[in-house]
Amino acid sequence: DVKVTQSSRYLVKRTGEKVFLECVQDMDHENMFWYRQDPGLGLRLIYFSYDVKMKEKGDIPEGYSVSREKKERFSLILESASTNQTSMYLCASSFSPGGESTEAFFGQGTRLTVV
Amino acid sequence: AQKITQTQPGMFVQEKEAVTLDCTYDTSDPSYGLFWYKQPSSGEMIFLIYQGSYDQQNATEGRYSLNFQKARKSANLVISASQLGDSAMYFCAMGSNFGNEKLTFGTGTRLTIIP
Repeated sequence: DVKVTQSSRYLVKRTGEKVFLECVQDMDHENMFWYRQDPGLGLRLIYFSYDVKMKEKGDIPEGYSVSREKKERFSLILESASTNQTSMYLCASSFSPGGESTEAFFGQGTRLTVV
Repeated sequence: AQKITQTQPGMFVQEKEAVTLDCTYDTSDPSYGLFWYKQPSSGEMIFLIYQGSYDQQNATEGRYSLNFQKARKSANLVISASQLGDSAMYFCAMGSNFGNEKLTFGTGTRLTIIP
C-alpha cells in the first residue's frame, strides 16, 4: 500500500513563526505536491516537485517555500506565518509510468491554525 | 490554463437512489486525465475513478461510473445505489499529460445520503 505521511495532524503556531510541514512517501514516487484546502475554494496547488532538488511554483506560492533534498521527503515552509495561512494542508505523491496515468496519493492532511 | 467547475455545493439524496455529481472542465491540452476523489469527514482523499481524454468508453469502478462527454467538456460522476457511507465531499480534478502532472481541482460537492 502506498503511504503518504504528514508529520502532524493538527498544528497551532503564532504569527511570524517559521513553520515546517513535513511529508514522506514510501513508494519511490517522483512527483510530490503541496495543496491547501479552504472551504468553497477546493484544493489549490502551492508547490510541486518532479525530482529531487527540483521545485516549481503552483497557483498560490506566495508566502511559502519548499525543500526536496531526498526523493521520499517534501517539506513545505511558511517563512513567516500569517493568519491568512490558517488552512488544511495536503501533501500528495504520484509516479509517471510514461504513457499511462496513475492517481495521486494523499496524506491525511495537516490542519494549521495561525494565531 | 486548466479549469474545473463543480456547480453543486451540496446535494441531499435518499439512500439506494442513484446520484450524479456534475463536473465541467476547460483545457487546451489534447491529452489530459480526469479524476474523481472522495473526502470523508476524516479528511483523507480517496481516489475513485479516472478517465483519459482519448478513452472511448466511459470508466467504471464498481458503483462508480464516469459519464464522459468530450464535446460538452463534462465528466460527471454517477454513483449507483447510494449508501450512507457515500456521504462525503467529492472533488473533480484534471491533469495534463493524462494526469501525470499537477492536478487542478474543482471546489467540490458535499453529498449527504439520507436514510
